[in-house]
Amino acid sequence: GENVEQHPSTLSVQEGDSAVIKCTYSDSASNYFPWYKQELGKGPQLIIDIRSNVGEKKDQRIAVTLNKTAKHFSLHITETQPEDSAVYFCAATPGGSYIPTFGRGTSLIVHP
Amino acid sequence: SAVISQKPSRDICQRGTSLTIQCQVDSQVTMMFWYRQQPGQSLTLIATANQGSEATYESGFVIDKFPISRPNLTFSTLTVSNMSPEDSSIYLCSVEEQTETEAFFGQGTRLTVV
Repeated sequence: GENVEQHPSTLSVQEGDSAVIKCTYSDSASNYFPWYKQELGKGPQLIIDIRSNVGEKKDQRIAVTLNKTAKHFSLHITETQPEDSAVYFCAATPGGSYIPTFGRGTSLIVHP
Repeated sequence: SAVISQKPSRDICQRGTSLTIQCQVDSQVTMMFWYRQQPGQSLTLIATANQGSEATYESGFVIDKFPISRPNLTFSTLTVSNMSPEDSSIYLCSVEEQTETEAFFGQGTRLTVV
């Protein structure tokens, strides 16, 4: 089955800095790579996703890159704000599947 | 998108008892799932809730411990049976409408077993 590794487990930055979270996956059949943000007391919520036929996707301050050959993908947040503080999960979903495999999560702390 | 209402949001239970968690979706959905999220850990799939038939459990999870019902396409329940402190966790309901698409989550049930 799929195995997703996520680093770092904790990331502390100053407001305005950039934050990068990296994930690797093992199953070459994975085609869909979502990123979720989980705030305290809430369920995870999708913030951006990318499919295997795309190398990069951007949505305002958030971008995701995918290297299918190397089987890794990354989340980039620019100009971080205190409200970006949360736990971020990457995931990989094999083609034809409903079920993602999640990384272990990164706790992002943005200091004002 | 789907809006999910999950109840209760939190509970403190005595060991040996059972708790039933409810998940209500605002629209009919194909797939419903139950996850466990232990403190500081990732999301682990417990089972797929199948409408009108027995749930499909992942390795390490059994029906006697986590019975699941799904009477229709908008509602499911997860019961945590004969609880022990090791069952203290966040339990999340999730739905997906198509393969390889966004998963929608309820707000979670934070369970503490004492």
